[in-house]
Amino acid sequence: GAVVSQHPSWVICKSGTSVKIECRSLDFQATTMFWYRQFPKQSLMLMATSNEGSKATYEQGVEKDKFLINHASLTLSTLTVTSAHPEDSSFYICSARDGTGDTGELFFGEGSRLTVL
Amino acid sequence: GQNIDQPTEMTATEGAIVQINCTYQTSGFNGLFWYQQHAGEAPTFLSYNVLDGLEEKGRFSSFLSRSKGYSYLLLKELQMKDSASYLCAAMDSNYQLIWGAGTKLIIKP
Repeated sequence: GAVVSQHPSWVICKSGTSVKIECRSLDFQATTMFWYRQFPKQSLMLMATSNEGSKATYEQGVEKDKFLINHASLTLSTLTVTSAHPEDSSFYICSARDGTGDTGELFFGEGSRLTVL
Repeated sequence: GQNIDQPTEMTATEGAIVQINCTYQTSGFNGLFWYQQHAGEAPTFLSYNVLDGLEEKGRFSSFLSRSKGYSYLLLKELQMKDSASYLCAAMDSNYQLIWGAGTKLIIKP
């Protein structure tokens, strides 16, 4: 099946710094990518939908100025957590749809565990 | 509103069969997904149903009834490695996934 690579897998940073997480579709073009976060023992929560070449669509309650999403190419989307704080510590996961505008299968990255000290 | 309901936790015995149910209410419908998630890892795609009926894939099968807003995931010949959370997600008319909270499946020897 299609492969989505997410980097880094683990990151520890100091409070106030910014962290960038990359999501790449390795063997297909993904016009749409999704960013999720998951707190311990909770389900995935969609943060935003990233569309190539346009602004991301953020879910209600997600600060777009804090969680910057860039989808500059058909194979790469980035999530930048700006001025990170301990409450931002979470598991961040991206997924990409193989197909354009249809119900193509979703493929997930490996996830990135962020710990903010 | 949109919501997904699935049991919080289930326990089954190694070698047995278990069925995990999921009911959904969404604005429009573009399919029902099942994902498996082991602790600390990203979810892994298991199945996708958009038409009524049963889809079989090895030890795992998934069923959908659109008229009832109901799906189930059937796991046969359970193995210890099947201990995980199973997430049900429905795709709405905007192609957004509405996620259930997941069912934690505990397999006992």
